[in-house]
Amino acid sequence: QVQLVQSGGEVKKPGASVKVSCKTSGYTFTDYWMHWLRQAPGQGPEWIGWNNPNSGDTRSAERFQGRVVMTRDTSINTFYLELTSLRFDDTAVYYCARGPRSGAFDLWGQGTLVTVSS
Amino acid sequence: EIVLTQSPGTLSLSPGERVTLSCRASQTVSNTYLAWYRQKRGQAPRLLIYSTSIRATGIPDRFSGSGSGTDFTLTINRLEPEDFGVYYCQQYGNSPPYSFGQGTKLEIK
Repeated sequence: QVQLVQSGGEVKKPGASVKVSCKTSGYTFTDYWMHWLRQAPGQGPEWIGWNNPNSGDTRSAERFQGRVVMTRDTSINTFYLELTSLRFDDTAVYYCARGPRSGAFDLWGQGTLVTVSS
Repeated sequence: EIVLTQSPGTLSLSPGERVTLSCRASQTVSNTYLAWYRQKRGQAPRLLIYSTSIRATGIPDRFSGSGSGTDFTLTINRLEPEDFGVYYCQQYGNSPPYSFGQGTKLEIK
């Protein structure tokens, strides 16, 4: 079955870091780039960045640069997003979604709720 | 960064009706790389249309997309109960970030 399965919800304090995983299955890991997005309550999705499954190269939106780390583990077909120096406005549902480097996202994970609360 | 503005914000329609949703970009979307998604409460978005007018796998031909430059539309004929939700447009034709609109909520009347 073609799917992306993300790790469970997290509650973090301001200034902490969070790491979300996205396990892929049912397709060739290296055929699609992995994108990370987030969605705050009542808002549209916001693109965070992408990870090249072959080289491991990453690119993130300017507003996240310096705070986001995207990695992958090819041995277990899993991608990771780590966001550091968390702020209250980082509270959102975080999604992984596969696609071309520049393209539409045809498969999404189920989402991971990250709550930043003191 | 390209800003996408969707209209209207909310629509209330009945099953069987036809609806057209609008997405306007702040600058030309390169290669007409514009996609549409539908999201239901508590679920991830689902891809409906990409490259302005190509239906994604499994999407019925009641859905059609059109447009170019800065103006794009999604038309849904013969609305069915499962069509209701929030619709987002997304551009991916220009350098990142790949931006989304703020959404149009389609409600059952």
